[in-house]
Amino acid sequence: KAGVTQTPRYLIKTRGQQVTLSCSPISGHRSVSWYQQTPGQGLQFLFEYFSETQRNKGNFPGRFSGRQFSNSRSEMNVSTLELGDSALYLCATQSGVDNEQFFGPGTRLTVL
Amino acid sequence: AQSVTQLGSHVSVSEGALVLLRCNYSSSVPPYLFWYVQYPNQGLQLLLKYTSAATLVKGINGFEAEFKKSETSFHLTKPSAHMSDAAEYFCAVSEGTNAGKSTFGDGTTLTVKP
Repeated sequence: KAGVTQTPRYLIKTRGQQVTLSCSPISGHRSVSWYQQTPGQGLQFLFEYFSETQRNKGNFPGRFSGRQFSNSRSEMNVSTLELGDSALYLCATQSGVDNEQFFGPGTRLTVL
Repeated sequence: AQSVTQLGSHVSVSEGALVLLRCNYSSSVPPYLFWYVQYPNQGLQLLLKYTSAATLVKGINGFEAEFKKSETSFHLTKPSAHMSDAAEYFCAVSEGTNAGKSTFGDGTTLTVKP
């Protein structure tokens, strides 16, 4: 069974731009969560989608948004990028049956 | 609200020595607890999880953890460290059965000396 796929793996943007990251879950997994990982703040929960609906949301500004498609693939978007948005963005998916998350390799975003 | 505290941001052990990584949690409901490992430039891999069954949980790669409610702890141990265990380790708690909204500790970097 293929694992969680995240694209792109690396991204460089400049302040003020926007970016879209993609996550393809393991087949059959309907829940997709997004996390931001930085050296200063650690791993922080952004949001979770289940069956195309946002089920949970973390404490991030509205510049951070996401969506989920009918095939469970998910995208997250960050608008008006700031230097502080530089981070590793991790996607995790779960089947909802065994209470386990499976993480993708992450997208490394650098904002210049 | 839930939170996780990992004591010690860096732990160094010799190869073959006991590994002990500490985690204390706070949760308003019965917790589900997890340990993950992260190697450089990779995502997180689940080592083991506690979901209110046995208090001693065995995971992959020889790791285990014991849930102690009275101490609100979930420390990770391995009897004998290998060089390949060098990585960053995260303890996490989820509120209820949904692991999709987990709160993570700050992580502990494990160094294994030859």
